[in-house]
Amino acid sequence: EPEVTQTPSHQVTQMGQEVILRCVPISNHLYFYWYRQILGQKVEFLVSFYNNEISEKSEIFDDQFSVERPDGSNFTLKIRSTKLEDSAMYFCASSDPTVTNYGYTFGSGTRLTVV
Amino acid sequence: AQTVTQSQPEMSVQEAETVTLSCTYDTSESDYYLFWYKQPPSRQMILVIRQEAYKQQNATENRFSVNFQKAAKSFSLKISDSQLGDAAMYFCAYKGGGNQFYFGTGTSLTVIP
Repeated sequence: EPEVTQTPSHQVTQMGQEVILRCVPISNHLYFYWYRQILGQKVEFLVSFYNNEISEKSEIFDDQFSVERPDGSNFTLKIRSTKLEDSAMYFCASSDPTVTNYGYTFGSGTRLTVV
Repeated sequence: AQTVTQSQPEMSVQEAETVTLSCTYDTSESDYYLFWYKQPPSRQMILVIRQEAYKQQNATENRFSVNFQKAAKSFSLKISDSQLGDAAMYFCAYKGGGNQFYFGTGTSLTVIP
């Protein structure tokens, strides 16, 4: 079964550093998403991406965050200057354009720890 | 804004027994979709079951079924013949006309051998 792949599985970074989280969505999917889950809390929407642009973003997704699809297969989330409160599990997801309402396929997540 | 509420932070069930996880939601939309996701210790999010709001028939996937009460805005998940592998965090989720999903706070399910 096709998978959404996220790398790395765990990243530790110092406060103030830039991090890039990487995702390879399912190949025929056209909608891409990032969510985050702070430990013990609910999964929160960050951003959705379609046709090479952001289609929707939450208030969490401020100027410190950016997304990019640099080469047609990868989908990245960049955090420019990490803060302690950015420590969380970050999930990438993608969905089929013909069945967008049928649920995402999530990746296995990247655990980001900011120290 | 849409909200999803899971009032049971933790539940437990004996192996082979049946358990029901509760979920309520609030929306003004008439057309939407509801989902249950499972998150095992590996933290991956796995789709368990989905329900289209326009369908009156409750969705079923093998041992998993839902009780969808649209007027009451309730969407519970029933797990029959519980197995040890069912132990996980379960999240209820809502998707309306926008792109994003709204998740509940989750219910941690323990399966007792």
